[in-house]
Amino acid sequence: AQRVTQPEKLLSVFKGAPVELKCNYSYSGSPELFWYVQYSRQRLQLLLRHISRESIKGFTADLNKGETSFHLKKPFAQEEDSAMYYCALWEGNTPLVFGKGTRLSVIA
Amino acid sequence: DAGVIQSPRHEVTEMGQEVTLRCKPISGHDYLFWYRQTMMRGLELLIYFNNNVPIDDSGMPEDRFSAKMPNASFSTLKIQPSEPRDSAVYFCASSLLGLAYEQYFGPGTRLTVT
Repeated sequence: AQRVTQPEKLLSVFKGAPVELKCNYSYSGSPELFWYVQYSRQRLQLLLRHISRESIKGFTADLNKGETSFHLKKPFAQEEDSAMYYCALWEGNTPLVFGKGTRLSVIA
Repeated sequence: DAGVIQSPRHEVTEMGQEVTLRCKPISGHDYLFWYRQTMMRGLELLIYFNNNVPIDDSGMPEDRFSAKMPNASFSTLKIQPSEPRDSAVYFCASSLLGLAYEQYFGPGTRLTVT
């Protein structure tokens, strides 16, 4: 069974519209969750981690243990946000478990 | 530091040929990971090493795939014989201080098997 689910393969939004990239996880313990991003022609890189509770490039993500979700949000999408986004879960002494990814396309 | 280095960046080969992908992790990193990225399956972990020792290769699709890490600064992923369904982007990543920490990815090798 998938431990990290990203239900949307592709998400298209207009510039200036709010963005929400969904991520749900399956883990009974205390998870650590991350969002990774891959911009066109760039390396996959860490965007943010829930334990930091930070906002990076206007993106935030809140861990909701009740709903087992870690959705990535931004109030106003920009064209440069177009990229592939991966949600990742760390359960303990195992490698990161990545979701299948969501491609975000911001339309001008 | 140039980051994680992978070579070649692109590889086109015919079915049945041997393919070798190479990776140089960031100096000092003690974990190295090999991933495969496809549209259908997303990012799949194939194998990872800790201090040059393979820890978990359960993600390797079949015996045609093998990986080695002869020293702390070099790893290879070999496919023999290659098949068209192996076409994908293969990433190498390394990390410091364990699995929970930020993984640094290489640029990837785009493999096309015809």
